[in-house]
Amino acid sequence: DAKTTQPTSMDCAEGRAANLPCNHSTISGNEYVYWYRQIHSQGPQYIIHGLKNNETNEMASLIITEDRKSSTLILPHATLRDTAVYYCIVTRGNKLVFGAGTILRVKS
Amino acid sequence: NAGVTQTPKFQVLKTGQSMTLQCAQDMNHNSMYWYRQDPGMGLRLIYYSASEGTTDKGEVPNGYNVSRLNKREFSLRLESAAPSQTSVYFCASSVNRWEQFFGPGTRLTVL
Repeated sequence: DAKTTQPTSMDCAEGRAANLPCNHSTISGNEYVYWYRQIHSQGPQYIIHGLKNNETNEMASLIITEDRKSSTLILPHATLRDTAVYYCIVTRGNKLVFGAGTILRVKS
Repeated sequence: NAGVTQTPKFQVLKTGQSMTLQCAQDMNHNSMYWYRQDPGMGLRLIYYSASEGTTDKGEVPNGYNVSRLNKREFSLRLESAAPSQTSVYFCASSVNRWEQFFGPGTRLTVL
């Protein structure tokens, strides 16, 4: 599975869009990009996934660059409840490998 | 619909003791997983079960055994607990490869 690189932490103002980047320059053609988040002391929660097209659901949008070497998760209107660790995972199978992720702090 | 449930929520063991962590899901999912999460780190896969009757090793299987009792239940056993197994253990289940549903976790301390 391809390795991912994410910033250690980010801050975002409440009500603004949160843009979380992820680099996966060694991604192969059949590997998907997944995003999960983990709110303090809880189990991780699935957010979204994609292969090469941009994706949107009720929680977030996923923008994947044309060369697929990086992606951005967008939370359009961040709230205090979105404060969490966000994990970007690249895999072709269903065995997820979680890195350290990005700590997103949403501030009022 | 409770989703994924785990018991116990907390446990303290002495080195060498054994215990079984229980996990059950009521979503009729085929696949189930056990992860561990050490402080400040991401989750690491211990074992998984793609379907009832099958189990496979993950990234860190040493010191653990699993049983897929039926479609609903997937247990994790520590035969002789060690301090290095102090961690938070999460169980998950999935019906497809995209979305795994996680339980609330079991916080285990081995003294």
